[in-house]
Amino acid sequence: AQSVTQLGSHVSVSEGALVLLRCNYSSSVPPYLFWYVQYPNQGLQLLLKYTSAATLVKGINGFEAEFKKSETSFHLTKPSAHMSDAAEYFCAVSPSEKLTFGTGTRLTIIP
Amino acid sequence: DAGVTQSPTHLIKTRGQQVTLRCSPKSGHDTVSWYQQALGQGPQFIFQYYEEEERQRGNFPDRFSGHQFPNYSSELNVNALLLGDSALYLCASSLTRGVSYNEQFFGPGTRLTVL
Repeated sequence: AQSVTQLGSHVSVSEGALVLLRCNYSSSVPPYLFWYVQYPNQGLQLLLKYTSAATLVKGINGFEAEFKKSETSFHLTKPSAHMSDAAEYFCAVSPSEKLTFGTGTRLTIIP
Repeated sequence: DAGVTQSPTHLIKTRGQQVTLRCSPKSGHDTVSWYQQALGQGPQFIFQYYEEEERQRGNFPDRFSGHQFPNYSSELNVNALLLGDSALYLCASSLTRGVSYNEQFFGPGTRLTVL
């Protein structure tokens, strides 16, 4: 079975500071990995995806994530937080057609 | 290019009733997946439809059923509603093959409240 664990249900950072959201996965086969963002009362928007082409993946809005097989991790980072980054972030794994999501991390930006 | 659309936006039902939610996929997509997102949780996979057939199913009872039409749009039906069915229901569309394989695009969701 495949699963993801997101460490920290709530993360607060100051505007302009580094954003680091943690995700560890479990998969019996090489996985596809995704990060999605959800703004209040909206659906999910794809930030980036890993499909084995490159271990460092760049996404939209300045986010990137690094796939580390030895650590089974796929942490999401952004060098400088912006107020508009405040949202819920979900990591997901998919070795087949369905997505298995983590429980999410709520990111708060402190002015 | 229209993205994934869902209707209705909000719905209020009472226990025991039946509900139908609708989804139109992103233009060019042939696969539709449905997810249930309870308050404060991550989305949970219900099932996926491709070529008008259910291809995969998550751990949901038979009260949850679906359909995909020839134009790739889809419906989610829930019978005998329970209070615990209150959630945001998300539809996602994707392509079964190609470079964007399994890249799922989500609609805004339908908020179902069961009283």
